[in-house]
Parts: sequence; structure tokens; C-alpha cells
Amino acid sequence: GENVEQHPSTLSVQEGDSAVIKCTYSDSASNYFPWYKQELGKRPQLIIDIRSNVGEKKDQRIAVTLNKTAKHFSLHITETQPEDSAVYFCAARNYKLSFGAGTTVTVRA
Amino acid sequence: EAGVTQFPSHSVIEKGQTVTLRCDPISGHDNLYWYRRVMGKEIKFLLHFVKESKQDESGMPNNRFLAERTGGTYSTLKVQPAELEDSGVYFCASSQYGQGTASYEQYFGPGTRLTVT
Repeated sequence: GENVEQHPSTLSVQEGDSAVIKCTYSDSASNYFPWYKQELGKRPQLIIDIRSNVGEKKDQRIAVTLNKTAKHFSLHITETQPEDSAVYFCAARNYKLSFGAGTTVTVRA
Repeated sequence: EAGVTQFPSHSVIEKGQTVTLRCDPISGHDNLYWYRRVMGKEIKFLLHFVKESKQDESGMPNNRFLAERTGGTYSTLKVQPAELEDSGVYFCASSQYGQGTASYEQYFGPGTRLTVT
């Protein structure tokens, strides 16, 4: 089955700096890669996703890149703000979603 | 539009007891998924319903777990008898039916935090 590794497990950044979270996957058949954000006490919510026929996607301050050859994808958050503090999960889908273990991001004011 | 709802939000039970978790998906979503997150680890897939049918239950840990979705609407996940290692947050998610990638986006519920003592 699919195995998704996510790094780092925790990330602390100064407000205004960038944050980068990296994930690798094992199944070359995976074709959909969503990122979920879970704020404290709330449900995981999809913030951005990328499909295997695209190398990069951007939505305001967040962007995701995908390298199919290397089987890794990354989330980039620029100009971080305190409300970006949350746990972020990457996932990969072949026939079902497999998640990474999550990254706890703390944005220091 | 109401999102995915789960009940209860928290449950504390003793080892050996039974607990039933409920999930109400977004209206019209044929796909319903159960996941579990043990503290600090990944959100792990348990099973997938398409309407009332179990499409994939490969993630169910053992036969102490029973999921149902009678009528293809809400779903229940029963743990009987509960063990200490069953503690964690149980998430439900739903998505639209479809063969294409439009059906891929899953909407999560707030989760049920289960503590087995």
C-alpha cells in the first residue's frame, strides 16, 4: 500500500517568514495530493490540492509543488501569519487517501 | 450547507465496554470514510462506504470494529469490546460520487475523541 512520510513534525517560524513542509510517497500510481489544515479544536480542512498532471499550483500565500519522478511534494506558505498556526497534513491517493503524520506549525508574532 | 457532523464529540469508556460513534455526511454525498488518528501519528484509513455498501474495509483493525451505513445516509462505527489501544480521534469524511477526480475532495467532520481507560 501507499506510505506517506512527512517532515518536519514541528515547525516554528517568525511571522512574515516562509514555511515549507515536505512529503514523500511510495506508490507511483498515486495521482492526487491534497493538503489539509487542522486548527486547534477544529476539523481538518482542505487548503490546496494538486493532481499528478501538474507540477505546481498556487493560491495566494500557499503553493504546492509535485515531483512525480522523485515522488515528493511540498507545501509552501509565504508571509506567514499567526492564523497559519495549525497542524498540516499531506496525503496521497491511489485508490484511497493515505496521510502523513502531520506537521505542527507555530507562527511566532 | 451543513458540513459533516459527528457524535459524540468526546467519549470516555472503560476497557471492555462498547461505544458507538455516529457520522452524518453532507447531504447527497455517496462516499463516506472513517479514519482514526492516534496521538502524534498519521490519520489512518479505516473504511469506505459507497452508499450503503462497504467499498473498502482494509483498514479496519480487527473484528471488534463494526461499521454500518444502513440506507446509505448516516453511518455508525461500533467498537466492542473496547481496548486501550483503540483510543484516538475518529474522523468521518464524505465526498461526492463520481469516477473522476471531482469526487476526490473529502470533507471532514470534527472528529470523536475516544478515550479508553
